[in-house]
Amino acid sequence: GAGVSQSPSNKVTEKGKDVELRCDPISGHTALYWYRQSLGQGLEFLIYFQGNSAPDKSGLPSDRFSAERTGGSVSTLTIQRTQQEDSAVYLCASDRDSEIPQYFGPGTRLLVL
Amino acid sequence: QKEVEQNSGPLSVPEGAIASLNCTYSDRGSQSFFWYRQYSGKSPELIMFIYSNGDKEDGRFTAQLNKASQYVSLLIRDSQPSDSATYLCAVNLPYRSNAGGTSYGKLTFGQGTILTVHP
Repeated sequence: GAGVSQSPSNKVTEKGKDVELRCDPISGHTALYWYRQSLGQGLEFLIYFQGNSAPDKSGLPSDRFSAERTGGSVSTLTIQRTQQEDSAVYLCASDRDSEIPQYFGPGTRLLVL
Repeated sequence: QKEVEQNSGPLSVPEGAIASLNCTYSDRGSQSFFWYRQYSGKSPELIMFIYSNGDKEDGRFTAQLNKASQYVSLLIRDSQPSDSATYLCAVNLPYRSNAGGTSYGKLTFGQGTILTVHP
């Protein structure tokens, strides 16, 4: 079946612009995670959804970052007023109902110039 | 001290040998422990998880956990060139929100160990 999909696959933006990253989890998966991976930083947790609610959003780096999930399915990560340090690969993962990010999407490579 | 520490390597082993990957963690409250494999340019994939002290085997992979020593390892037997990848250790800590709820959805990852298996 289809895996986790993310769009866009690559995004280049100018500093100060807003960006939206989209994640489509595997159908029926209630748990959804956002992580980011940058050189020298490893994989960094951002937020975890169970259904449409986010029990843990402790990893969001600043109030420029927000995420929502609607219909227990698609999630959008929004970064406002992007900064160069936001450049990274943003990864989404989902799982049926456990609290383990088991299935990762291909990621969105964000470059802020 | 980093929450999860791994030797960055690279670790180089000959084909057919046992590759041993190590990870230490700082928080004794850690509940669950995970190993992910990440090929260059690809996303991580979960290969093993372990909750209890001792060994857990799955095919050529064995995860070992020692909570007293705060140490988790991954052994790969009969290593193959296709095992060449970065191996990420991750631990799971409970998160207690201000509202009083507890969730376990956050994993803290180590920096990863690069493994190269040469023919």
